[in-house]
Amino acid sequence: DGGITQSPKYLFRKEGQNVTLSCEQNLNHDAMYWYRQDPGQGLRLIYYSQIVNDFQKGDIAEGYSVSREKKESFPLTVTSAQKNPTAFYLCASSIRGTLGTEAFFGQGTRLTVV
Amino acid sequence: AQSVAQPEDQVNVAEGNPLTVKCTYSVSGNPYLFWYVQYPNRGLQFLLKYITGDNLVKGSYGFEAEFNKSQTSFHLKKPSALVSDSALYFCAVSPPNTGGFKTIFGAGTRLFVKA
Repeated sequence: DGGITQSPKYLFRKEGQNVTLSCEQNLNHDAMYWYRQDPGQGLRLIYYSQIVNDFQKGDIAEGYSVSREKKESFPLTVTSAQKNPTAFYLCASSIRGTLGTEAFFGQGTRLTVV
Repeated sequence: AQSVAQPEDQVNVAEGNPLTVKCTYSVSGNPYLFWYVQYPNRGLQFLLKYITGDNLVKGSYGFEAEFNKSQTSFHLKKPSALVSDSALYFCAVSPPNTGGFKTIFGAGTRLFVKA
């Protein structure tokens, strides 16, 4: 089945640790995105990638980093510089941008700082 | 600034009654508009989109949405609500001046359908 797989589903981070969230897609989409979801705030764009080996900052990129070495994969690292990382993280992809085409979302990773 | 507003945090309807979830937007140029649905602890699922053409757009699970350019609105509707429609609904806009890579999402409206 084609789709987007995020792992792990739940992740716990200690203060000062970096953690990496995985996102893999087999839809052959060029564009991939990372969003953060907090209650009552909708989705906020962290990073996006239009194509392999390219990525751009979104609205809340501070404290996060990404890579796009393969078309299928777009991992997100939450660094210790992110002061409030507890949130639900969603990865998405689209054929190119979303002008006329919808995005496909993974099932999400819930990150909690302990 | 470009934005999307969903004025209601929650909408309550009885099963079998029609439902409306409201969305208004403020973007430059002709908007590309979307509705997504989210069930608890899951990702978003696409419902429908407006690109151009007929102002009434039909989507998945019996949902439809009406685009109104003069009121800059894109309200989601369904003639007869089901309990299983209870979920969180997001309106989204892709501004054309961002190439479609910076979609703006509303804060979401929680729909509760009572049996």
